[in-house]
Amino acid sequence: AQSVSQHNHHVILSEAASLELGCNYSYGGTVNLFWYVQYPGQHLQLLLKYFSGDPLVKGIKGFEAEFIKSKFSFNLRKPSVQWSDTAEYFCAVMTGSGNTGKLIFGQGTTLQVKP
Amino acid sequence: DVKVTQSSRYLVKRTGEKVFLECVQDMDHENMFWYRQDPGLGLRLIYFSYDVKMKEKGDIPEGYSVSREKKERFSLILESASTNQTSMYLCASSRPKGRNQPQHFGDGTRLSIL
Repeated sequence: AQSVSQHNHHVILSEAASLELGCNYSYGGTVNLFWYVQYPGQHLQLLLKYFSGDPLVKGIKGFEAEFIKSKFSFNLRKPSVQWSDTAEYFCAVMTGSGNTGKLIFGQGTTLQVKP
Repeated sequence: DVKVTQSSRYLVKRTGEKVFLECVQDMDHENMFWYRQDPGLGLRLIYFSYDVKMKEKGDIPEGYSVSREKKERFSLILESASTNQTSMYLCASSRPKGRNQPQHFGDGTRLSIL
């Protein structure tokens, strides 16, 4: 079965520390990959997406992710986190035949940034 | 900007009640989705629809049904609510997969079943 695994469930960092959140998926076909963020009390927002082309994808707020096909990974990175990055982060894979584009989500990683 | 509106932010219902959660999108999107979000489990797909009156089961459809009578509106129905359906429910919409567009989410409905 298709699945997405996020290795870290809860991460605590100090401001200015570097961030890397792991994401691995199991799906043999062509994938579209996403990272979403959910700030406290807010709706899920798209951070970045990969459909094709350059495997290093840049998103909003200084985030980037690298698609490594051989490792089935799509890790999220940020060189220097801020207190405002405190949120829950979800990795997702788009699969499905036809035009439906279903998303399979990882379990989520809660990031807490200490000021 | 895409707007996905869920009718309620918070809802409290009793066991056995029939519960309706409503979702409306304003971007003429073909696809609409219902997920539930639980701590440690991420988001799990309940049902989705790729056209008016069309629906398909997601990963956890048991105890739920959906209705899509108009393109902009997608309703989730809990036929007989149970306490294990207490959760955060998220609606999303998108263009067809081939358009390389992401899903857009509503604010969520936090449903408590007593």
